[in-house]
Amino acid sequence: DTGVSQDPRHKITKRGQNVTFRCDPISEHNRLYWYRQTLGQGPEFLTYFQNEAQLEKSRLLSDRFSAERPKGSFSTLEIQRTEQGDSAMYLCASSSQGQGIDQYFGPGTRLLVL
Amino acid sequence: AQSVAQPEDQVNVAEGNPLTVKCTYSVSGNPYLFWYVQYPNRGLQFLLKYITGDNLVKGSYGFEAEFNKSQTSFHLKKPSALVSDSALYFCAVRATNDYKLSFGAGTTVTVRA
Repeated sequence: DTGVSQDPRHKITKRGQNVTFRCDPISEHNRLYWYRQTLGQGPEFLTYFQNEAQLEKSRLLSDRFSAERPKGSFSTLEIQRTEQGDSAMYLCASSSQGQGIDQYFGPGTRLLVL
Repeated sequence: AQSVAQPEDQVNVAEGNPLTVKCTYSVSGNPYLFWYVQYPNRGLQFLLKYITGDNLVKGSYGFEAEFNKSQTSFHLKKPSALVSDSALYFCAVRATNDYKLSFGAGTTVTVRA
């Protein structure tokens, strides 16, 4: 068990550019979550997948954000036309089948939009 | 709706003294409650959870937490703090029929030698 991995760990981009982050969950975990953490705040829920189906999206997920999990394994989070307000740590977590109570978090991708 | 309040931004204690980090929650129905710890530029590490049963929950690194339904609280405790416990601590809640976690704003713990 190698844990949840995220790539890249850090990303610096210019306002208006598109960025894409990847999350690899713990193998055989069928649930995957994305959270966003801004400085001085706790993580906030963005979206959640069960297998390849995106079952819930937060109102925080504007139309510039899109998440996919095409084969029910890894997931990508894309932000189009980045804004300075998108600067944050983007955290991915996964949990197992059944009640899947425990969510295991990855190290996060820190995004800085200049 | 569900929410978590961590009333203290910072907690400072001397090494060897007891450590308490406060958390209150709001959720519809029965809660699942969690504590996570975060070190600088790192993800969240799970410490402990309450699902049901005994109100006193024991977790990693000597931490424990007490669930109090009447006060809707889930305070984190450690009898004897270590300098290495200095970190950012988050309390989180979810409803039993939901999957997303709601986190508090976090409490920075500093343990001085």
